[in-house]
Amino acid sequence: GESVGLHLPTLSVQEGDNSIINCAYSNSASDYFIWYKQESGKGPQFIIDIRSNMDKRQGQRVTVLLNKTVKHLSLQIAATQPGDSAVYFCAEKPPDNYGQNFVFGPGTRLSVLP
Amino acid sequence: EAGVAQSPRYKIIEKRQSVAFWCNPISGHATLYWYQQILGQGPKLLIQFQNNGVVDDSQLPKDRFSAERLKGVDSTLKIQPAKLEDSAVYLCASSPIGSPLHFGNGTRLTVT
Repeated sequence: GESVGLHLPTLSVQEGDNSIINCAYSNSASDYFIWYKQESGKGPQFIIDIRSNMDKRQGQRVTVLLNKTVKHLSLQIAATQPGDSAVYFCAEKPPDNYGQNFVFGPGTRLSVLP
Repeated sequence: EAGVAQSPRYKIIEKRQSVAFWCNPISGHATLYWYQQILGQGPKLLIQFQNNGVVDDSQLPKDRFSAERLKGVDSTLKIQPAKLEDSAVYLCASSPIGSPLHFGNGTRLTVT
C-alpha cells in the first residue's frame, strides 16, 4: 500500500476495550499474511499469521480475519492493555512462484488510554 | 533461543561517508533479509539471502549499497557513499524457509 509518511493512522482505545486494526493489502495472489507489532526502538515482533485457505485464526487475545474478496485483513485485540501500545504492521506474501517477498503496509499506531 | 543480533545500534555519519552494519541471525535459519525502515513507514526489503546466495536484490540501490553473507551465517550491509535520504533504521531478519520473519532491533542511521 501507499506510505503515509510521518502521518501514521492512529487508533486510540480505552484500556480494557477491544481494538480492531485494519489493513488493505495490494496483491490478490498473496497467500500468506502476518501481523507484526513494533514498539519504539525495537524490531517488528510476530503476533499472528494466516494463510489464504482460512478466513479466521485466533491466538491469545488476538484474532486475525481475512476477507479475500475485498483484499482486507484485520487484527482484533481483546481487552486491550497498556502494553499493547505500539505500531502494528500487516505483511503480505505472494506465492513463491511470484518471486516476491513479504510486503509491509504503512502501519497503524495503537494508543491505549488509561 | 537467542534472537537476531545487530550492531551497532546507532550510527551518525556525514553524507558521502561510508558505513557498515552487521547481523548475526538465529542459528539454523537459512534465510536472511535486510530491510530499510524510514521513519513513519513500514519496512522495505533491500535484499534476501538463502544460505550464502542472493535470492532477491531487486530493490537494493546497487550503486551505493552492497551486502554479503559470509559462509551462510553472518551478514554485513554497506553503504558507500551515504546520502541524506539513507537516514533510516536498517533491520535484519532471519527465518527458516517459508516461516515468519524474526527481526533484530535494527541500526538507526542518521546521515547529516
